[in-house]
Amino acid sequence: ETGVTQSPTHLIKTRGQQVTLRCSSQSGHNTVSWYQQALGQGPQFIFQYYREEENGRGNFPPRFSGLQFPNYSSELNVNALELDDSALYLCASSLGGNQGDTQYFGPGTRLTVL
Amino acid sequence: AQRVTQPEKLLSVFKGAPVELKCNYSYSGSPELFWYVQYSRQRLQLLLRHISRESIKGFTADLNKGETSFHLKKPFAQEEDSAMYYCALSSYNTDKLIFGTGTRLQVFP
Repeated sequence: ETGVTQSPTHLIKTRGQQVTLRCSSQSGHNTVSWYQQALGQGPQFIFQYYREEENGRGNFPPRFSGLQFPNYSSELNVNALELDDSALYLCASSLGGNQGDTQYFGPGTRLTVL
Repeated sequence: AQRVTQPEKLLSVFKGAPVELKCNYSYSGSPELFWYVQYSRQRLQLLLRHISRESIKGFTADLNKGETSFHLKKPFAQEEDSAMYYCALSSYNTDKLIFGTGTRLQVFP
């Protein structure tokens, strides 16, 4: 069984740039959720994808967008980067997006915006 | 509004002492409650969930709907329990998680 993987591990960007983060879900999982974890905070839900469709969104602006591919891997795109976007971005996969499903987390991508 | 509150940022105990990590939630329906743990240099992982009513690594957590609490307890802490602990809830019909700010548990020898 392959776990959740994320790339890259670290990323440094400047304000106004765009970034793409990638996530491969655990084998057999069709749901991917993305979270932002600022320093000293718990993870905050950005959005979720279920079978290539967005399936719920948190309180994040439209410049945060995503995709899910037929193999259930996913991308998180952030446009017009701001300093406050500096955070650890976590991807989690689950079996079906239902209440109580266990989410399996990746190691995260650390984004620094200068 | 849905919210999870963990009032303690840091909890320090000696090995063998009892541990209680507090978690309170705000949700109008029937939430599913979880404890996630992150050990040093490891990824976030599920420790336990209330619906399973199980004990994992000696930890238990009871959902108290009257007090809207889901405190994590262990009678005798071990050094390997040192980690960051997050309480989380998911609401009806979704597995989207709402996390608290976390409590760092330090267990001294």
